[in-house]
Amino acid sequence: GEDVEQSLFLSVREGDSSVINCTYTDSSSTYLYWYKQEPGAGLQLLTYIFSNMDMKQDQRLTVLLNKKDKHLSLRIADTQTGDSAIYFCAESSLEGGATNKLIFGTGTLLAVQP
Amino acid sequence: DADVTQTPRNRITKTGKRIMLECSQTKGHDRMYWYRQDPGLGLRLIYYSFDVKDINKGEISDGYSVSRQAQAKFSLSLESAIPNQTALYFCATSQWVPYNSPLHFGNGTRLTVT
Repeated sequence: GEDVEQSLFLSVREGDSSVINCTYTDSSSTYLYWYKQEPGAGLQLLTYIFSNMDMKQDQRLTVLLNKKDKHLSLRIADTQTGDSAIYFCAESSLEGGATNKLIFGTGTLLAVQP
Repeated sequence: DADVTQTPRNRITKTGKRIMLECSQTKGHDRMYWYRQDPGLGLRLIYYSFDVKDINKGEISDGYSVSRQAQAKFSLSLESAIPNQTALYFCATSQWVPYNSPLHFGNGTRLTVT
C-alpha cells in the first residue's frame, strides 16, 4: 500500500532556513500537502502542490517536488520560534475515485533554537 | 479550528468500557473523517463519510464504529475499549469539490484506556 516517510526531528537556529523532507511510494499521487500541528491543536494546511509542478513558493515557504524520486521537501526561510511545530507531509491520489483520502507521514518535529 | 469541535478534549476510561467521541462542524462540509494519531506513526484513517448515511472504513477500522447523525455530526465509538486504543483522535472535514479541498481539523480528543 501507499507509504509516506519523514525524518522524526529537525533542530535549527532562529533565522536559519529549515528543510523538511518527505518520500512517498504512490506513483499515482496527484496532490501533496504540508500540514502544521502546533501543541494542543489539530493540523492546519500550510501549502500543497499538484503533481505536475516542480516548485511552489508562498512567502517564506518553498515546496520542491521531485516526482521521479518521489521526494517532497518544505523549505522555511528565516525560521522563527513560532515555526516550532510538527510538520506532516500527506499525499492523495485518484486511485479508487476522487475520495480525497490523505495518507500522512509520521511527522517531523521542528525545534527552533533562539 | 473552532469550526470543527470535538468533545471531550480529554477522556480516561477503563478497559472494556464503551465510549463515544463526538464531532460537530459549522463549515457546511459534506465530508467528515476520523483519524488517529500515535507518536512516530503519523495519522491513520479510521472511518470517513461523504454524506449522511454514507460510511466507509479506513485503514484501521477494527474495534471502532461511527455514526453520521446529520451533515454536521460524526461520532466515533469504541465498543469495548482496550489499552492500545490510547491515542489522540482527530475529526476532520472537507468540501466535496474541488478534489483537492484541504482537510479542516478539530483540536483533538486525547483518549487514555487503562
